[in-house]
Amino acid sequence: DTEVTQTPKHLVMGMTNKKSLKCEQHMGHRAMYWYKQKAKKPPELMFVYSYEKLSINESVPSRFSPECPNSSLLNLHLHALQPEDSALYLCASSQANARTQYFGPGTRLTVL
Amino acid sequence: DAKTTQPTSMDCAEGRAANLPCNHSTISGNEYVYWYRQIHSQGPQYIIHGLKNNETNEMASLIITEDRKSSTLILPHATLRDTAVYYCIVRVAGSNYKLTFGKGTLLTVNP
Repeated sequence: DTEVTQTPKHLVMGMTNKKSLKCEQHMGHRAMYWYKQKAKKPPELMFVYSYEKLSINESVPSRFSPECPNSSLLNLHLHALQPEDSALYLCASSQANARTQYFGPGTRLTVL
Repeated sequence: DAKTTQPTSMDCAEGRAANLPCNHSTISGNEYVYWYRQIHSQGPQYIIHGLKNNETNEMASLIITEDRKSSTLILPHATLRDTAVYYCIVRVAGSNYKLTFGKGTLLTVNP
């Protein structure tokens, strides 16, 4: 099973809302990732968790707050977002120190 | 990680082989070549990777030149469902978690 699941599929939120994106994998992977993809652009890395600890933060604004409550779950908490944050948010996972990342289907976020 | 250069777009007839090139002239000896694809509005899908030898799996074949400065992804019998953006990525295994996507090649498979 090489499946990464993400919920919700679509999310519309106002600039004052607080919402969360959820990602789950049951492949025993110990590294999990958040990527952001704007329309017609390639995905860009935001955060990496390794063994439930944040190992990479690509200078992401604090209105995005990641959380890894256990080895199977990864959340992205959103607060006070801007319309330019509208994008496809992708979660991925891999074995720690491994080459191949497996991606979920993404959450399409629209900020009004 | 080494940079890659890919054509912006390519067309292929259904049932024919699709050959997608990638240049990575600054690749280092310990860098792997990875291929992912992204069908419209879906998450990227891993296809194949290699270091110096040619590789084949159920999805595709990867041909890496002897000097490792370029590679070709081959889809042997393209179908309409293979229409996607194909990304060639070069990275060091293990020590660097980051996947740096370039602009990729939009492959359109025509009936």
